[in-house]
Amino acid sequence: EAQVTQNPRYLITVTGKKLTVTCSQNMNHEYMSWYRQDPGLGLRQIYYSMNVEVTDKGDVPEGYKVSRKEKRNFPLILESPSPNQTSLYFCASSFASNYEQYFGPGTRLTVT
Amino acid sequence: QQPVQSPQAVILREGEDAVINCSSSKALYSVHWYRQKHGEAPVFLMILLKGGEQKGHEKISASFNEKKQQSSLYLTASQLSYSGTYFCGTGNQFYFGTGTSLTVIP
Repeated sequence: EAQVTQNPRYLITVTGKKLTVTCSQNMNHEYMSWYRQDPGLGLRQIYYSMNVEVTDKGDVPEGYKVSRKEKRNFPLILESPSPNQTSLYFCASSFASNYEQYFGPGTRLTVT
Repeated sequence: QQPVQSPQAVILREGEDAVINCSSSKALYSVHWYRQKHGEAPVFLMILLKGGEQKGHEKISASFNEKKQQSSLYLTASQLSYSGTYFCGTGNQFYFGTGTSLTVIP
């Protein structure tokens, strides 16, 4: 089954404790992206990747890192999480930019 | 740079029609439309690639006027299953619109 998986689905952590949210797709997609969704602010892109080893900042990249060493994986790294990074995070992939995006189920992160 | 959608929210009775508008201050070369139900991930509806293009998806269709930097989503004879938040979006660095909450009631 074609899908985008994210782990963990829920995470509660403390300020400053490094964490990684994994994202994997099995559709051989070139384009992958991370979004955060906050009430009243909608969906905002954090980082995107057009291909392996190619990543670019989205609209809200501060406080986040990504890497794209393999086509299927695109982890989101929070080196020192802060409470303002409490949010719902979605990973998405598509065949290429400007094609339909397939979204993972979301990761709800709470930083205390 | 975030596209602006209108209205912000709309409530319909089953069978009624609705139009959701998406407007950008930057040039639009294509427009995506997604629907997100509460507690779920966004789901793709359609992409419009050319000026004036119209596409359809069951009873949901859309138009795209690249000269006006606008797109509209048309929902006809709405069903309960159409409830959710609708987003337009565009770009390689992808910007989602502000969102429109649509509620269909019996």
